[in-house]
Amino acid sequence: EPEVTQTPSHQVTQMGQEVILRCVPISNHLYFYWYRQILGQKVEFLVSFYNNEISEKSEIFDDQFSVERPDGSNFTLKIRSTKLEDSAMYFCASCRSSYEQYFGPGTRLTVT
Amino acid sequence: AQRVTQPEKLLSVFKGAPVELKCNYSYSGSPELFWYVQYSRQRLQLLLRHISRESIKGFTADLNKGETSFHLKKPFAQEEDSAMYYCALSSSGYSTLTFGKGTMLLVSP
Repeated sequence: EPEVTQTPSHQVTQMGQEVILRCVPISNHLYFYWYRQILGQKVEFLVSFYNNEISEKSEIFDDQFSVERPDGSNFTLKIRSTKLEDSAMYFCASCRSSYEQYFGPGTRLTVT
Repeated sequence: AQRVTQPEKLLSVFKGAPVELKCNYSYSGSPELFWYVQYSRQRLQLLLRHISRESIKGFTADLNKGETSFHLKKPFAQEEDSAMYYCALSSSGYSTLTFGKGTMLLVSP
């Protein structure tokens, strides 16, 4: 059964550095999402992407964040200048129809 | 604003006991409600959605619009049900999910 994959599984970076989190959605899916979960808190929506553009974004998704689908298979989340509070688990999800979003295993981002 | 509340952080039961994981929501329109489950070291996966009205792994959930609730129930818990359970809401279509904080279910032998 096809699955959403994410790399790396764990990323450690210094404050102020740029990070790129990568996701490969399920191949025939059309809608893509990033969520994050700070330790001990709820899963929060960041951004959704459809037809090569952002369809919705949350207040968390400020100018430091960007998303891209560079080659028709990867879906990336870039954080330009990481802060300590960006430390979290980042989940990618994709969806084709019928409301079911399929989640990746997550990337744990640690900002030191 | 939409909100999902799961009042219990942890629910601990014995095998064979009934389980009810509570979920209340706040939304002005007609929401779509879901239960997602995350087993240890695995990814979030969809367990139930209210529009399909199906029973998965013995779990059921009924949307009560009057009480704005979508509680998850199982008559006889099994050890393999131990996991983190998240209630989630979507406004429509392919819209984003708003999650509750989750309830950890621990089923002891």
